[in-house]
Amino acid sequence: QKEVEQNSGPLSVPEGAIASLNCTYSDRGSQSFFWYRQYSGKSPELIMFIYSNGDKEDGRFTAQLNKASQYVSLLIRDSQPSDSATYLCAVRTGGFKTIFGAGTRLFVKA
Amino acid sequence: NAGVTQTPKFQVLKTGQSMTLQCAQDMNHNSMYWYRQDPGMGLRLIYYSASEGTTDKGEVPNGYNVSRLNKREFSLRLESAAPSQTSVYFCASSLLGEIWGRDQPQHFGDGTRLSIL
Repeated sequence: QKEVEQNSGPLSVPEGAIASLNCTYSDRGSQSFFWYRQYSGKSPELIMFIYSNGDKEDGRFTAQLNKASQYVSLLIRDSQPSDSATYLCAVRTGGFKTIFGAGTRLFVKA
Repeated sequence: NAGVTQTPKFQVLKTGQSMTLQCAQDMNHNSMYWYRQDPGMGLRLIYYSASEGTTDKGEVPNGYNVSRLNKREFSLRLESAAPSQTSVYFCASSLLGEIWGRDQPQHFGDGTRLSIL
């Protein structure tokens, strides 16, 4: 089992819809969780981070964390074509390592 | 603000050649990381340095060495390049340990695209 798993996609949603991206992790000692966006040929950039169970909202983005189920998700409301990118889930494990998932490719159709 | 600076941006090597990838950050971060990214594989941790003076292996350290030169700089060396090391390499930095369980996110450089023939 990979330490951080994501559906590779592609996930295709129409403009204006809600995109839901999911991530599961294996280390129950994990404390910090991050979502990065990566455009093709570019470096990852931070979208959201979350530490506690529940929801965290920032503009059109909502991160959801359920430590009991070892599950973290990212919701993008009112999806725009500019949101088309690969979304990387990253989990800080019990040590000093941050493990990245392979990423989910999102396409938002105009 | 420069953030994380990587050099070079592109490099082509022949098998067996050696080279060093440079990384510097100006955010006063204590931790630095080297990742490689291959298609469909996400980011894989090569080496990291939790603080100045320490380095540790990540997921895929074979064929690489690192040096944490000072708090700002963290270099990655390929001693004898192999075609399997063709990849995009990212350096990142973060502030760790300020508040237990609430780690700060990593900031990435623009990457080095390395091809080994």
